[in-house]
Amino acid sequence: GAVVSQHPSRVICKSGTSVKIECRSLDFQATTMFWYRQFPKKSLMLMATSNEGSKATYEQGVEKDKFLINHASLTLSTLTVTSAHPEDSSFYICSARLGSADTQYFGPGTRLTVL
Amino acid sequence: QKEVEQNSGPLSVPEGAIASLNCTYSDRGSQSFFWYRQYSGKSPELIMFIYSNGDKEDGRFTAQLNKASQYVSLLIRDSQPSDSATYLCAVAGANNLFFGTGTRLTVIP
Repeated sequence: GAVVSQHPSRVICKSGTSVKIECRSLDFQATTMFWYRQFPKKSLMLMATSNEGSKATYEQGVEKDKFLINHASLTLSTLTVTSAHPEDSSFYICSARLGSADTQYFGPGTRLTVL
Repeated sequence: QKEVEQNSGPLSVPEGAIASLNCTYSDRGSQSFFWYRQYSGKSPELIMFIYSNGDKEDGRFTAQLNKASQYVSLLIRDSQPSDSATYLCAVAGANNLFFGTGTRLTVIP
């Protein structure tokens, strides 16, 4: 149980385009999902906390207008990187929290390359 | 802001040995602690969680928690080359997890 999927697993896009990444909890309902970014050989960085039916909470330094998060259902959260630039190239990972417990289960990640 | 500290390593152990990974945290009120394993190029995978002082065993893995000293550790017995990965310690906050920077473990065949 507690399986989280992400789509796509890998995306290459041109600079200036927008990319949408989906995160789904497959066998449980996730009131809260999280979006992380990880650069090569660096640690996880929390970008935002996504709560179903409400606005996401962004960490300091993360532009909410550039990284649009929508959590429209208990099993789906999306992250849209708008007007992507090469410096946005990174590994984007979502996680979902099971119920009210603290445990987070991670999706497999999406590797974004912006040319 | 909770601080979670880990030795970045790399930690190298021979195959079959015990690998010991340590983590300290700053918030004495923390209640929930997690160990994740992350292979290169992959996302983190939950190994264990621990809430109470003492040891918790799951197969070859043992998590140890000492709230008075504010440290949590992970022991891996009979280490295998497939255990080579980065191990992330995480401490629960009010709404999310605070992660350490991870310890890179290499098990030498």
